[in-house]
Amino acid sequence: DQQVKQNSPSLSVQEGRISILNCDYTNSMFDYFLWYKKYPAEGPTFLISISSIKDKNEDGRFTVFLNKSAKHLSLHIVPSQPGDSAVYFCAASETGGFKTIFGAGTRLFVKA
Amino acid sequence: DAGVIQSPRHEVTEMGQEVTLRCKPISGHNSLFWYRQTMMRGLELLIYFNNNVPIDDSGMPEDRFSAKMPNASFSTLKIQPSEPRDSAVYFCASSLAQGTGAEQYFGPGTRLTVT
Repeated sequence: DQQVKQNSPSLSVQEGRISILNCDYTNSMFDYFLWYKKYPAEGPTFLISISSIKDKNEDGRFTVFLNKSAKHLSLHIVPSQPGDSAVYFCAASETGGFKTIFGAGTRLFVKA
Repeated sequence: DAGVIQSPRHEVTEMGQEVTLRCKPISGHNSLFWYRQTMMRGLELLIYFNNNVPIDDSGMPEDRFSAKMPNASFSTLKIQPSEPRDSAVYFCASSLAQGTGAEQYFGPGTRLTVT
């Protein structure tokens, strides 16, 4: 039972355009969400996070949106750059817990 | 700080052999996680330690897998005997705090191939 789902295995975007990566979750107890970025032959690195008390968090070119009623979050990258080409993992956790549950990842290709 | 260190980076072994993966967390971090990454299941949490104590090993696939953390600066994940379906990338991660939202710092991973 996958509690965090990233239904798009891959996404291809032109440089300069917006990249939108989507994530759905099933556990209503999740109240903290993170995005990690992973380059080949490296471990994932933290990118951006959002608490359930917010519906948007922005950090430079990266914005995460949270829709609690739909149990859906998305990561927007504007403008996309070739260096953004990587695998992006959505992750979720709940207050008082210790587990961070990761999705399967979405591979982003940004074409120059 | 050098970050989370894992060794070896690559391991190729034959079915039935024992495999030991090693991890040195970031100094001062009190939580350590072992993950396995596969194409089908993404990043799976295998086991979590807090202050060197295993808190939850429910993600360990079967008894062939075991993990130890003898001190705050070292952990091992052992597979005995190994099987081809264990082939995957194994990540170790550490964090400063237990609980929600604590950012985890990942090592570069160990790519295990069991033939």
